[in-house]
Amino acid sequence: QVQLVASGGDLVKPGGSLRLTCVASGFTFSGYYMSWIRQAPGKGLEWISYISDTSTNIYYADSVKGRFTVSRDNGKNSLYLQMNSLRAEDTAVYYCATVSYSSIDYWGQGTLVTVSS
Amino acid sequence: DVVMTQSPLSLPVTLGQPASISCTSSQSLVHSNGNTYLTWFQQRPGQSPRRLIYRVSNRDSGVPDRFSGSGSGTDFTLKISRVEAEDVGVYYCMQGTHWPQFTFGGGTKVEIK
Repeated sequence: QVQLVASGGDLVKPGGSLRLTCVASGFTFSGYYMSWIRQAPGKGLEWISYISDTSTNIYYADSVKGRFTVSRDNGKNSLYLQMNSLRAEDTAVYYCATVSYSSIDYWGQGTLVTVSS
Repeated sequence: DVVMTQSPLSLPVTLGQPASISCTSSQSLVHSNGNTYLTWFQQRPGQSPRRLIYRVSNRDSGVPDRFSGSGSGTDFTLKISRVEAEDVGVYYCMQGTHWPQFTFGGGTKVEIK
């Protein structure tokens, strides 16, 4: 069955960097568009990034544009999120998810990023 | 940007009774291809979200048939015909029509009275 395992979340100081990884299994990763979505503690869901199957098309929410970079390695069934210039408001659980037909279908278990001094 | 508004914020329901959640978009969600990309998710306490309904009214595999979605244009509804204890959680709507940005509603918390 579809599995998405996110990792890399940690406690980081404001201005710092972190790289999240999402490893996929149970489906043909190279054929899927992927997204990152985050959820601040006790808050709702916020879409932050999308990458097409061949990395040709990449989009970001305004809140992370210029600071976050999404990438993927289809040979390793892996999705990445490089996060730079982190702020307190970036504190959240970060989920990776599959995208199909303008919807999000499968979600990973999430990884917690805490930005605090 | 499209804004998705859900109501109510909180929905206390008696077990076995129906529940209804509303989702309104600031712009029509009818795509130029004729499809309407409105999705509903359920997030149980401590869990990742799970998709229930896609394209307004299509139930995902394994989703009980007590869940149904309806609506058109800018107004959409998720209904639970008879609430069970396992339905407790937060429900979100999301638009995918105005690609490539997904927009979520603020969420509706369903709890048992």
